[in-house]
Amino acid sequence: AQTVTQSQPEMSVQEAETVTLSCTYDTSESNYYLFWYKQPPSRQMILVIRQEAYKQQNATENRFSVNFQKAAKSFSLKISDSQLGDTAMYFCAFMKASGTYKYIFGTGTRLKVLA
Amino acid sequence: NAGVTQTPKFQVLKTGQSMTLQCAQDMNHNSMYWYRQDPGMGLRLIYYSASEGTTDKGEVPNGYNVSRLNKREFSLRLESAAPSQTSVYFCASSEDRLLNSPLHFGNGTRLTVT
Repeated sequence: AQTVTQSQPEMSVQEAETVTLSCTYDTSESNYYLFWYKQPPSRQMILVIRQEAYKQQNATENRFSVNFQKAAKSFSLKISDSQLGDTAMYFCAFMKASGTYKYIFGTGTRLKVLA
Repeated sequence: NAGVTQTPKFQVLKTGQSMTLQCAQDMNHNSMYWYRQDPGMGLRLIYYSASEGTTDKGEVPNGYNVSRLNKREFSLRLESAAPSQTSVYFCASSEDRLLNSPLHFGNGTRLTVT
């Protein structure tokens, strides 16, 4: 069975600084997808970034980028130039590319951006 | 474009009462999901439906039933609510896993069982 671990329950960062949220996962699959979702206080879940395991290049979306280390089964999210609107809960998620359609989520990291 | 619509947004039940959470998506997605979110537990899959007419259990299905009424709608029913089912419930949909489609979420239902 796949598991996703986010070891940082809470983090804080100063506005305009850079922060990295960690995520590790355990799987025996060779092909899979990884995602980061953001949940602001509004409760709406929003996709931040996604990564295909077969792609070596790390995904980037504006100020958000990932450090995908397949051998280490690590998928960290880097937020550059942090903004107050980045304050949210961040969830890492895993989905294998075959079989069932189940997305497995980590327990989340609560990020607070300080003015 | 409404996306995924969940109703109600809030609900308070007494132990033993029943209710149905409604979910509809207008994106023509094949797959639909029900998750529950609890502090420190992340999101846990209750049930999912890979296509119209099919449903399957997730991690925490006990105490719940689902119905994939048609391609658009996927409802979650609590037959006899228990305090342990106090949670925030999310419905989600995705286009097709082969296209690496992300999940599209509704706004959630906060359920309290007293």
